[in-house]
Amino acid sequence: AQSVTQLGSHVSVSEGALVLLRCNYSSSVPPYLFWYVQYPNQGLQLLLKYTTGATLVKGINGFEAEFKKSETSFHLTKPSAHMSDAAEYFCAVSEGSGTYKYIFGTGTRLKVLA
Amino acid sequence: DTGVSQDPRHKITKRGQNVTFRCDPISEHNRLYWYRQTLGQGPEFLTYFQNEAQLEKSRLLSDRFSAERPKGSFSTLEIQRTEQGDSAMYLCASSRIGVGPGELFFGEGSRLTVL
Repeated sequence: AQSVTQLGSHVSVSEGALVLLRCNYSSSVPPYLFWYVQYPNQGLQLLLKYTTGATLVKGINGFEAEFKKSETSFHLTKPSAHMSDAAEYFCAVSEGSGTYKYIFGTGTRLKVLA
Repeated sequence: DTGVSQDPRHKITKRGQNVTFRCDPISEHNRLYWYRQTLGQGPEFLTYFQNEAQLEKSRLLSDRFSAERPKGSFSTLEIQRTEQGDSAMYLCASSRIGVGPGELFFGEGSRLTVL
């Protein structure tokens, strides 16, 4: 069965500092991996996704994530945090084999300090 | 593209009452999903449809919950005999059929408060 673990329910960084949000997954088949962002009072929107091919995936707003099969990880990074990055971030996995449901992690709330 | 719309946005009800939520997906999207989200948690999968067929339903979902998508367009989620534990945000999302799982487009959710 597929599952997602996000380490750290709250992360604080200073403006301009590196953002690192951690995600580990479990899947019995090669997974499809996603990062979604949820701003206050808004719906979830896609930041980036990994399907196949290149393991370093670039998304919107300067975010990127690297798929590491050996570590079963898909951590999200951004070199320099901006105040507007403050939001909740969710990692999700879908096996896409026999089922097209998506399993989400519990989320990481990112706070950016001035 | 008007996005995924959900109605009502907020619903307050008394324990034991039935409630129904509606979701209108993006028009060309074949798959439609329902999730539940409580404070501090990620979206929890409830069920999904491909066209009008309900393909999967969470085993954790109570029999009080039922969803339909009769013509493969809009969907409804009904909760019968509501309990206080049903208080949550109910999210709808839709996606196209493509090669592998694609992007989910979410609505802004329907917030349920059970008194």
